[in-house]
Amino acid sequence: NAGVTQTPKFQVLKTGQSMTLQCAQDMNHEYMSWYRQDPGMGLRLIHYSVGAGITDQGEVPNGYNVSRSTTEDFPLRLLSAAPSQTSVYFCASSQQGAGFEQYFGPGTRLTVT
Amino acid sequence: RKEVEQDPGPFNVPEGATVAFNCTYSNSASQSFFWYRQDCRKEPKLLMSVYSSGNEDGRFTAQLNRASQYISLLIRDSKLSDSATYLCVAFSSGSARQLTFGSGTQLTVLP
Repeated sequence: NAGVTQTPKFQVLKTGQSMTLQCAQDMNHEYMSWYRQDPGMGLRLIHYSVGAGITDQGEVPNGYNVSRSTTEDFPLRLLSAAPSQTSVYFCASSQQGAGFEQYFGPGTRLTVT
Repeated sequence: RKEVEQDPGPFNVPEGATVAFNCTYSNSASQSFFWYRQDCRKEPKLLMSVYSSGNEDGRFTAQLNRASQYISLLIRDSKLSDSATYLCVAFSSGSARQLTFGSGTQLTVLP
């Protein structure tokens, strides 16, 4: 099993550009989520999904969109990149939901100039 | 005040030492708790779930004190491979955050 995979590993964007961060899992987990991690702060939840076709906002959703058309994939779209979105982005999945073990992908390091 | 607070460290301890981390949380509605380990520039991985009676897994012991709203992690007989950042996490189903992560405590075990 590959677990949770994320692409790209690194990305540099200019302010105003858009892009999609990919996330896929092969564990048939219903629950998937996106976090950002900034220095000195804990991981913060951006969006999450409890199953295909269902998404909801987390703590810091502004500037990001998600969709969940399949159980396996949960892409995160940056609509118009801003320097404040420079961060490390982690995708995670869980068999039973947020209150259970989360399996994280390796992360995407994004820099917005 | 952060919802989950940890001493950022760094904690530098010699091999074989016992080290303890504390974590406090402010949301009394938090239902469950976890310790995750994060190696430098890697993803977090679950170390332990924290049960109300406390639990032990080899050299690691986690305890929960709901009255004082803190969680602790004790590492005995530290190994070089224990060097990492330890994240304290609280879960509340009623919060938009769902899982609230502390900013982590950095541990370096020295030879």
